Amino acid sequence: DTAVSQTPKYLVTQMGNDKSIKCEQNLGHDTMYWYKQDSKKFLKIMFSYNNKELIINETVPNRFSPKSPDKAHLNLHINSLELGDSAVYFCASSQLGLGGEETQYFGPGTRLLVL
Amino acid sequence: SQQGEEDPQALSIQEGENATMNCSYKTSINNLQWYRQNSGRGLVHLILIRSNEREKHSGRLRVTLDTSKKSSSLLITASRAADTASYFCATAPAGNMLTFGGGTRLMVKP
Repeated sequence: DTAVSQTPKYLVTQMGNDKSIKCEQNLGHDTMYWYKQDSKKFLKIMFSYNNKELIINETVPNRFSPKSPDKAHLNLHINSLELGDSAVYFCASSQLGLGGEETQYFGPGTRLLVL
Repeated sequence: SQQGEEDPQALSIQEGENATMNCSYKTSINNLQWYRQNSGRGLVHLILIRSNEREKHSGRLRVTLDTSKKSSSLLITASRAADTASYFCATAPAGNMLTFGGGTRLMVKP
């Protein structure tokens, strides 16, 4: 009955590879998000997505792309992985997609290590 | 730079003591949120305070907001070892996407 789930929990891969992280929410929310948390615990928004609009943080490299097969899923695909991509990636969702106007529900995170 | 910045970065107290964490932000906001993150876990929403509110309570949590000083504080009373976690404030300037501070790492010693 997990509200927001992510797979895998851990991901270790080589530089240059392409990988995907999956996220699913069973809350019936309209909007999903991806965040990156670095080693210093700073959490930065990467994407905000609902069925109408994709909002991209301008600092995110275009090697990162969100893919949403349906309203309950937002996967994160990363091309040509770099060492600096090592971080914890969190998926989140909110009911209406009002950005900071409402509570967001977070998944448990995916710990990515690029070697 | 971060929209929200927490102070202190780390705090260590004994069980039963109160813990106070502060957050400063830079631009006008409609509301401010506080989240908790236990080690190795995702963030959990604690409380949302709107810009027209000065204080809000939830159990042992008390949040204040001073929009004139662009600051907020989170007080945890009668702390427990289970309160050990990182605490983040988050704002969304002008309705944009939620932006988090760097967090305060709280350790409550039994």
